Amino acid sequence: DAGVTQSPTHLIKTRGQQVTLRCSPKSGHDTVSWYQQALGQGPQFIFQYYEEEERQRGNFPDRFSGHQFPNYSSELNVNALWLGDSALYLCASSLYRGRDEQYFGPGTRLTVT
Amino acid sequence: QKEVEQNSGPLSVPEGAIASLNCTYSDRGSQSFFWYRQYSGKSPELIMFIYSNGDKEDGRFTAQLNKASQYVSLLIRDSQPSDSATYLCAVNARDDKIIFGKGTRLHILP
Repeated sequence: DAGVTQSPTHLIKTRGQQVTLRCSPKSGHDTVSWYQQALGQGPQFIFQYYEEEERQRGNFPDRFSGHQFPNYSSELNVNALWLGDSALYLCASSLYRGRDEQYFGPGTRLTVT
Repeated sequence: QKEVEQNSGPLSVPEGAIASLNCTYSDRGSQSFFWYRQYSGKSPELIMFIYSNGDKEDGRFTAQLNKASQYVSLLIRDSQPSDSATYLCAVNARDDKIIFGKGTRLHILP
């Protein structure tokens, strides 16, 4: 049973560039949530996708956008990268909007220079 | 602003002792509560979840929930050096947003 997978593992980008991160949920899960985790902080909720729609959003600007595909996989896009966007980006999958437990992927480490 | 508060630590506990980790939350309508363990440089790993008031035990771990006091705790019995990690408390508020605390660093002393 495959767990949550994310790609790429690491990424280095320059300020102003755009980035796309990818996530495949655990088999049988239909909800994907994205989090940003800065060093020494807890994960911060970015948004959640269920039935191919954004259902909830945290306090992140419109530069952060996403998509969910019919196979439940998801993408996180960040435009006009800032230095402050450097963080570990985590994808978590769950059943039905995360009211039950959610499981995290290994994360993508994004460095903006 | 919904919040989840944890003592950042570090919490140092001798090997074999009980480690007690605490968490408070602000949204009284919160529905479900989670504890994650995170090793340095790794992603969070779910270790316990609880929905109802009272205790839930799983192996060496016990989660305790008191909704009246808006308090959730995690007890780790017979602490092992491999338990040294950051423990994250997470709360699923009534709007299905999951809010994490900043985590408590636990250090098990051999």
